[in-house]
Parts: sequence; structure tokens; C-alpha cells
Amino acid sequence: GQQLNQSPQSMFIQEGEDVSMNCTSSSIFNTWLWYKQDPGEGPVLLIALYKAGELTSNGRLTAQFGITRKDSFLNISASIPSDVGIYFCAGPVTSYDKVIFGPGTSLSVIP
Amino acid sequence: SQTIHQWPATLVQPVGSPLSLECTVEGTSNPNLYWYRQAAGRGLQLLFYSVGIGQISSEVPQNLSASRPQDRQFILSSKKLLLSDSGFYLCAWAYRGGETQYFGPGTRLLVL
Repeated sequence: GQQLNQSPQSMFIQEGEDVSMNCTSSSIFNTWLWYKQDPGEGPVLLIALYKAGELTSNGRLTAQFGITRKDSFLNISASIPSDVGIYFCAGPVTSYDKVIFGPGTSLSVIP
Repeated sequence: SQTIHQWPATLVQPVGSPLSLECTVEGTSNPNLYWYRQAAGRGLQLLFYSVGIGQISSEVPQNLSASRPQDRQFILSSKKLLLSDSGFYLCAWAYRGGETQYFGPGTRLLVL
């Protein structure tokens, strides 16, 4: 079945550094979603991508929909302590009634 | 605006006891509803989803069941909890045909 992989699994960075993470799939997706989960809370949507090659920003966050439609990237510039959390990529399965999530990238920011 | 509620926020239950977690959505009609479990703060495992009242799809056979008695109410239940049922349970909703899911605050369940 469809499966998403995320790398790296975890990151420890210094405050102020830039962050890059990616999400890959063996199958094509028509939509890519990026969520962030703060510790102890539910995930919140950060960015949605709908078109191959699309580059979308949300403040210090930038996400790209890969040309092959089998991957997506999320970058965070000038990280701050509140960026700590787990970042999930997700994509809808064919019926659009369900979405599959990647295993997540855990981000820790050292002040 | 739409809001999603889950309760209780935390729950400690003995092995073998029953379970009932509730999720309600306000501000929208005919939503798709979802139950996920997250173990050890990583990975979202889809347990059940519903596209309408009384319509439940089970993703993973296990010790849990779900019901949707009203349009905006989704309940997760168990007759007898196992230690392995411990985890963080998340409810989510989406517009019918929409891919974006909106999550509730979660319920942390500890089975002892």
C-alpha cells in the first residue's frame, strides 16, 4: 500500500540555524500536506501544496511539491525555540476520505 | 468557525476496564471524522473513520470500536482495556471530499 517516509527521523539544532526535512513516497500524490505537532497537542496544518513544482511559504516556513510528485520538502529558516515539535507530511489516498501520514521528523532547538 | 473538542483530556484506567472517549465538532455539518492513536509521541495510526452517521470503517483490527450516533459526534470505545491500549488518542474532522484534516487536542490514556 501507499507509504510515506520522512527524513531525518530527528534533528537537534542550534537556535538560529536553518532546517531542512523531506518526505518521499513510492507512489504519486496530487496533494502534499505538512503538519506540526507541539508536545502534548494535536497536529496543526502548516502548508498545503496542490501542484507539482509548487513552492509555498508561510512565514519562516517554505515547502515544495516535488516535480516527480513523489516527494516534498519543508524548510524552516532561522529556527527559534517554539519550532520544537514533530513535523508530519501527509497525502490523501485515492478516495480523499483518508489521508496517510509519514512517521514524522522530531525537531529539537537548543537555545 | 469550526471547533473540535475531545474529552477527557487525560485518563488513567486499570487493565480490563471499559473505555469511552468522546469527540464533538461544532460549526460544520456532515464532516468526515477520524480516530488516530499515537504511541510514544511518534506516528499517527488511523484507527477508524466515518463519512456519515452510523458509517464506520475500521483500519486496524484490535480491541477498540467506534460509533457515530450523531452527525458531529464520534465515540471510541473498548469493553476491556489492554496495557497496549495506552497512548495519545486524536480525533480529527475534514470537509466531505477535502484532504485537510483538523485535529482535536487529544486524550492521553494510560492503562495500568
